[in-house]
Amino acid sequence: GAGVSQSPSNKVTEKGKDVELRCDPISGHTALYWYRQRLGQGLEFLIYFQGNSAPDKSGLPSDRFSAERTGESVSTLTIQRTQQEDSAVYLCASSSRDRREKFFGPGTRLTVL
Amino acid sequence: QQPVQSPQAVILREGEDAVINCSSSKALYSVHWYRQKHGEAPVFLMILLKGGEQKGHEKISASFNEKKQQSSLYLTASQLSYSGTYFCGTEIVAGNQFYFGTGTSLTVIP
Repeated sequence: GAGVSQSPSNKVTEKGKDVELRCDPISGHTALYWYRQRLGQGLEFLIYFQGNSAPDKSGLPSDRFSAERTGESVSTLTIQRTQQEDSAVYLCASSSRDRREKFFGPGTRLTVL
Repeated sequence: QQPVQSPQAVILREGEDAVINCSSSKALYSVHWYRQKHGEAPVFLMILLKGGEQKGHEKISASFNEKKQQSSLYLTASQLSYSGTYFCGTEIVAGNQFYFGTGTSLTVIP
């Protein structure tokens, strides 16, 4: 596709359930980032993938959060045993090795009831 | 590691100028600027690499002072379409984590 896509666009879940959020980066982009944005707040870094290198997980807020990426393609962010404070928009961005601008997907709005 | 932006919020009348500052506690490799409109994803404006270069995009330009680890975004003759939240983003090492600043809400009124 032409841009970064994310699915689902909206997810409503009950506290304690697990959720999976998906990101399809722009083809050929080696770097992929996940950010969390709570209502009215800034972008909180979660995790960073660069090619086949080990991901930088330093931003994950707890061990309930994990992410995987298959090569230089799709990434999945998993949140286990969701809590109400996990409610936020989760944004994915990708960039190429030579051009550093980040292209963002439309985000997944997660609501934990 | 999150850069700090100032001011937090600013209200302008159409045609007025504004400056948004971004400050980091660490030496920077690059600084990016993004604009996010309500309910939308951030959109890239420009990138500045260490070396003090200044870049421009329409009536929006930016500077990067690597010694002070600071960047400033200049908006001149503001338009209604400039309204949104502006974020700086920083790289300490090329191809490494990318942290966004605290954000500056800009509102342009007629």
